[in-house]
Amino acid sequence: QKEVEQNSGPLSVPEGAIASLNCTYSDRVSQSFFWYRQYSGKSPELIMSIYSNGDKEDGRFTAQLNKASQYVSLLIRDSQPSDSATYLCAFLVSSNTGKLIFGQGTTLQVKP
Amino acid sequence: DGGITQSPKYLFRKEGQNVTLSCEQNLNHDAMYWYRQDPGQGLRLIYYSQIVNDFQKGDIAEGYSVSREKKESFPLTVTSAQKNPTAFYLCASRPDVSNQPQHFGDGTRLSIL
Repeated sequence: QKEVEQNSGPLSVPEGAIASLNCTYSDRVSQSFFWYRQYSGKSPELIMSIYSNGDKEDGRFTAQLNKASQYVSLLIRDSQPSDSATYLCAFLVSSNTGKLIFGQGTTLQVKP
Repeated sequence: DGGITQSPKYLFRKEGQNVTLSCEQNLNHDAMYWYRQDPGQGLRLIYYSQIVNDFQKGDIAEGYSVSREKKESFPLTVTSAQKNPTAFYLCASRPDVSNQPQHFGDGTRLSIL
């Protein structure tokens, strides 16, 4: 059974701090990983894609991938109250079908 | 505007009733997906379709049915056989290009009367 594990939280950080969200996955074959942000009552929104080992930066967001350790993380620098949401990690099971496996999500609370 | 449109936003089902959730996209995406999300849970795949007139069961297909008569449309029917249908239903699509991510509509919240 292919799985994604995330700490459900809540993870609470003060405004301006770095938030670190972590995800482990069981499928050694997967090459593509995604982070989605989901505000309460809303649908998931893609914020980062990462396909190779190392770091990928986009504004205040940095995704980190370590395929040997089967670990992917998301760092949010200068956290803002508007970053308070649930962050879902997902990996691509099959590039042919596009099927994703999602973690349960980590709830982030940024306190002013 | 290009995007994925789900309707209605809220839906109520009576006992023994089938209800249909609409999903339309104008992104020219080949693949479309239906997920169910329960409170505090991740997304679980119900059905997916990669081309017109073809679809595959996901992890929790029992009590649901779909059709894909047009590329733009992938409606989901929640049948009376689905005994616990209260959930947030999400439709997604992606282009048929190897490692591209899925993008989501705004969702339909289904409740039991």
